[in-house]
This record gives sequence, C-alpha cells and structure tokens, in this order.
Amino acid sequence: SQTIHQWPATLVQPVGSPLSLECTVEGTSNPNLYWYRQAAGRGLQLLFYSVGIGQISSEVPQNLSASRPQDRQFILSSKKLLLSDSGFYLCAWSVGQGGKPQHFGDGTRLSIL
Amino acid sequence: AQSVSQHNHHVILSEAASLELGCNYSYGGTVNLFWYVQYPGQHLQLLLKYFSGDPLVKGIKGFEAEFIKSKFSFNLRKPSVQWSDTAEYFCAVNGPGGSSASKIIFGSGTRLSIRP
Repeated sequence: SQTIHQWPATLVQPVGSPLSLECTVEGTSNPNLYWYRQAAGRGLQLLFYSVGIGQISSEVPQNLSASRPQDRQFILSSKKLLLSDSGFYLCAWSVGQGGKPQHFGDGTRLSIL
Repeated sequence: AQSVSQHNHHVILSEAASLELGCNYSYGGTVNLFWYVQYPGQHLQLLLKYFSGDPLVKGIKGFEAEFIKSKFSFNLRKPSVQWSDTAEYFCAVNGPGGSSASKIIFGSGTRLSIRP
C-alpha cells in the first residue's frame, strides 16, 4: 500500500534561518506531489506541485522554494525564514491526470520566532 | 480562476442534530468535487468525492454530499452527528484544465464542534 512520510512533525526556527522540510512517498511510481500551507484561521493554500523529477510549478510568489530530486521525494526549502512563514505545511500525492483525490501526510507545524 | 467558498467557519451542534455544511465553487467547466476531513491530531483524509453520475454522493461515516450544478454547490450533510465527528472539514474542487497534475483548490475550512 502507498504511504507518505513527512518530517519533522514540528519545527521551531528563528527568523532568518534556513528551512528544509522533506516528504517521501512509498508504494507508487511517478506520483504528482504537492506542498500546501495551512495558516492559522485560513484554509489550505497550494504552494507548489510537481508532476515529475525536476519539474516544479509555483502557485504563489513567496519566500519558499521546492525541489524534487527523486521520483518520490519532495523538498520544501527557504534560505531565510520570515515570521509570516509560520504555519502548518502539508505534503500530498496523487496519481494520474485530472481529478484524482490527493492523499496527505501528517504535516509539519512550523513556528518562526 | 477557480475558488471555493465555505461560509461557515465554525459550527457547533449537539449530538444527534442534523448537519449541513455549505460549499460553493466558481468554475465554469466540468468539475471534480471533494470533501476532506481532519480530525484533531490526525492528517487530512478524503471523506467523499464527486466525479460524475449521481449528484448525491455517499461517503464514509454516514456523510453524503449533493452536487447542484445550477447553484455551483456541493454541500455536505449528515442526518445525525456524533461527538466523534468533531473535526475540520474542507471542501475542494478541481477541473480537468490543461494541466497534467490534479491541482485541487481548497476552501478555508469549517470547524465542527459537537457537544456531547
């Protein structure tokens, strides 16, 4: 069966520090991969999605970047975190085209001090 | 651009009450619709989905949703809620578009609190 691993579960970082959140999927090949952010009191916002290795689409301009070095690995990064980067980050995957449900990881709660 | 509106931010009900959570979307073409649920301390999971066919969709745990194309709505319902239904509920929509990725747009969520 397919599983998705996301870590760390919680992270506290100072303003200006770098960030690297990792997400890996097992049990499926060539998944579509996604990073979402859920800010306090707001809904899920799609940040990045990827349909293949090295292919990244950014949905909103921001202080973050994403990379997909391997088929089932998706990394969310920042060189210098801002206070506004605080939130709950979710990785998700789906397969195929058009309208397939997404499956979510357990999320990373990021607090910026 | 596609968007999803969930007008109820927080709903409080007593056990056995009936539930209806509103969801409206804006998209002119064929849509796929979803409801996701996030129980306290757990990850987001799919509750039900609509792709085509019968507009009344049955999901897990007694939930159902009705797609009304003329109203651009996909409201979630449950005849009798339980305390264990306390969670945050997200409506989501995507269309075939031109992208090979299944980009799903989420609503802002509705927090459901059930009084025992």
